[in-house]
Amino acid sequence: LAKTTQPISMDSYEGQEVNITCSHNNIATNDYITWYQQFPSQGPRFIIQGYKTKVTNEVASLFIPADRKSSTLSLPRVSLSDTAVYYCLVSGNTPLVFGKGTRLSVIA
Amino acid sequence: SAVISQKPSRDICQRGTSLTIQCQVDSQVTMMFWYRQQPGQSLTLIATANQGSEATYESGFVIDKFPISRPNLTFSTLTVSNMSPEDSSIYLCSVSSGTGFYNEQFFGPGTRLTVL
Repeated sequence: LAKTTQPISMDSYEGQEVNITCSHNNIATNDYITWYQQFPSQGPRFIIQGYKTKVTNEVASLFIPADRKSSTLSLPRVSLSDTAVYYCLVSGNTPLVFGKGTRLSVIA
Repeated sequence: SAVISQKPSRDICQRGTSLTIQCQVDSQVTMMFWYRQQPGQSLTLIATANQGSEATYESGFVIDKFPISRPNLTFSTLTVSNMSPEDSSIYLCSVSSGTGFYNEQFFGPGTRLTVL
């Protein structure tokens, strides 16, 4: 069973900021939170990873509250090319378990 | 980062036959993984393949059905044995950037298998 819960789908217009929230109530002390992006007919691609507080890279930000029971992936100013499935995973000493992911559709 | 190639990219097979999928990485890696993804579905881990040891299979997957080889640090194969239409899926290999499950994984392009 997936350790995370996230919305099945989201729609957004181009240029908007998109926030996808993931719940992981049973996260373990040594678990990291990782997000992957998958386009059709491709393997998933790593976006960002964090343990606590905020992490930012060139494509996204990851916000993690103090209790670490949830996290929010923030995509600034999305474009049509950001249409994909986004997976939130938690893992430390155990293999990744992919949930259903969030299917983001960006509309012109 | 790591660049991963898989062969074949796709295949159509008859039931009862076997197919071996190859995964080649452009650098030496410790941990390699094999996943299955049915169309429109999420990924399911089949097994973890570390060089020099037997593969570790996840619940629901057995070595007789999915034998795995890991002869060196840049190569692995997954065989889908005695195939049935239920084995039709995309099979992906991935590698870890480190020695932990939480480390960034790089995925191959996948092998699309159709069993008739």
